[in-house]
Amino acid sequence: GAVVSQHPSRVICKSGTSVKIECRSLDFQATTMFWYRQFPKQSLMLMATSNEGSKATYEQGVEKDKFLINHASLTLSTLTVTSAHPEDSSFYICSARDRYQSPLHFGNGTRLTVT
Amino acid sequence: DAKTTQPNSMESNEEEPVHLPCNHSTISGTDYIHWYRQLPSQGPEYVIHGLTSNVNNRMASLAIAEDRKSSTLILHRATLRDAAVYYCTGGNTDKLIFGTGTRLQVFP
Repeated sequence: GAVVSQHPSRVICKSGTSVKIECRSLDFQATTMFWYRQFPKQSLMLMATSNEGSKATYEQGVEKDKFLINHASLTLSTLTVTSAHPEDSSFYICSARDRYQSPLHFGNGTRLTVT
Repeated sequence: DAKTTQPNSMESNEEEPVHLPCNHSTISGTDYIHWYRQLPSQGPEYVIHGLTSNVNNRMASLAIAEDRKSSTLILHRATLRDAAVYYCTGGNTDKLIFGTGTRLQVFP
């Protein structure tokens, strides 16, 4: 089945630094990938849609200059949290689908802790 | 995208069937109904999806109401490994929005 790999699984960084999270589709090509954020005991919140070869589409309230998304190839999307602050600490999850209207395949998430 | 409503939590005993309900009264005619589940500190896992007809796979069954305003995920024999948060979502996968989900507890 389709597999989405996310790296790193957890990262601790200091306030003010930037962190990059990678999301790869291992056995399929994904023109579209999705980035979610999840706070403890809460549901997943869609942050942005990553489109291969074009700009990402951000959900309302998500700062595009803070959460930089790059989808440079059909198998890789990256999310960079710039100038991270403690309130950015969260569980970040990417997903992708292997064809239109097919179910989403999710990565295992990245636990970001900003100290 | 369809707004979904699910009970916050449900309980079951091991080996018993579990019926997890979901209301999605605003779903459009072409939107699929998807179910995912999430274990602690993991990404969600696809369970099942359907459009109009009932669906079965190795994990579960999905019963969709005739008017498509609700659906029920059926786990035929709950195991301890089925304890998770179950999310139903309605929409096309270009933008799936997740509600609060149902936390399923399974007791031995």
